[in-house]
Amino acid sequence: KQEVTQIPAALSVPEGENLVLNCSFTDSAIYNLQWFRQDPGKGLTSLLLIQSSQREQTSGRLNASLDKSSGRSTLYIAASQPGDSATYLCALAPHGGNTPLVFGKGTRLSVIA
Amino acid sequence: GAVVSQHPSWVICKSGTSVKIECRSLDFQATTMFWYRQFPKQSLMLMATSNEGSKATYEQGVEKDKFLINHASLTLSTLTVTSAHPEDSSFYICSARDPGLAGGSTGELFFGEGSRLTVL
Repeated sequence: KQEVTQIPAALSVPEGENLVLNCSFTDSAIYNLQWFRQDPGKGLTSLLLIQSSQREQTSGRLNASLDKSSGRSTLYIAASQPGDSATYLCALAPHGGNTPLVFGKGTRLSVIA
Repeated sequence: GAVVSQHPSWVICKSGTSVKIECRSLDFQATTMFWYRQFPKQSLMLMATSNEGSKATYEQGVEKDKFLINHASLTLSTLTVTSAHPEDSSFYICSARDPGLAGGSTGELFFGEGSRLTVL
């Protein structure tokens, strides 16, 4: 059974720092992996989607990498801002087709001004 | 990206009543939608897969008679919590994939804004 783990569970950094959020998974046979942002009491906003054939994706200050062989993905946030404070969730699709995602428990990020 | 909308965003009800939550895909058709449940400071747990025109597929441990799912059209799925109890209080989120043009979906999953249910 696929399991997704995110470390650390919580992270607090001063504004301006670059930071890395980690996600690991137990089964390397995945279809794709998504990173989401969730603000308190809100739904999920999709940040980046990495297909299984890709190594990384970038959007603005965000960069996500994928290493299937080691079962790892990282989300890099450059020049963090207080508005980046949220919970970041890593989730993956085990198969192709219209299948649900398997989620990690998330990393709660606080960026201090 | 594609838009998925949920309604209501929050609801408070008395124990024993039923509550219906709607999930709509606004700019695409979704033959399948997914319903998740999230407890405070926990991750999302898949409850069921909603299939247009057929019965939903429930995850182990989810009572199908308590959480009724109906997917009557390609843009609407509903989750009805029947005879709600305080332990049903939670954040419910739906999601769907945009099939894309000619079925060329990227596989990206889009989520609704969530519905917070509080049962008194």
